[in-house]
Amino acid sequence: KAGVTQTPRYLIKTRGQQVTLSCSPISGHRSVSWYQQTPGQGLQFLFEYFSETQRNKGNFPGRFSGRQFSNSRSEMNVSTLELGDSALYLCASSSGGQGALNEKLFFGSGTQLSVL
Amino acid sequence: AQSVAQPEDQVNVAEGNPLTVKCTYSVSGNPYLFWYVQYPNRGLQFLLKYITGDNLVKGSYGFEAEFNKSQTSFHLKKPSALVSDSALYFCAVRDLDTGFQKLVFGTGTRLLVSP
Repeated sequence: KAGVTQTPRYLIKTRGQQVTLSCSPISGHRSVSWYQQTPGQGLQFLFEYFSETQRNKGNFPGRFSGRQFSNSRSEMNVSTLELGDSALYLCASSSGGQGALNEKLFFGSGTQLSVL
Repeated sequence: AQSVAQPEDQVNVAEGNPLTVKCTYSVSGNPYLFWYVQYPNRGLQFLLKYITGDNLVKGSYGFEAEFNKSQTSFHLKKPSALVSDSALYFCAVRDLDTGFQKLVFGTGTRLLVSP
């Protein structure tokens, strides 16, 4: 079974640009979550999608958005990039059924975004 | 709000010695606790999770974790460390306030195993 796939692996952008990151979950998984990892802030939850609906959102500005498609693939978009957006963006998938509170998440290798 | 704390930024241990990576938690309700490991330039890999009733949880790569309700701790342990265990370790708890699949992570502990 293929794991969680994130593309691209690396991205370099300049301030003010926008970027789109992609995540393909494990086959059969309907929940996709996104996390931002930085040396200073650690791992911060961005949002979670389940069956094409956002059902949870972290404390990030509106410049950060996402969506999920009918095949469970997800994209996240960051508009008007700032230097502080430089980070490793991690995607995680799970079956996501309600009540599955001890279900583990499967993480992709991440997209390393550098904003210059 | 749910939270976990990892009091050590780095743990150093010699190969062959036992290792412990500490984690304490604060939850309202039942704790759903996890350990993940991250190797350089990689995502997080699941090691183990707490299952209600089992105070000693066994996981991947010979790791285990000891759940202690009175001390609100969930320390990661391994009887004999390997150089290849050197990595960044994260403790996490399910966020029960919002439910679903959100995990709240600790700040991470870097484990360095010397030959």
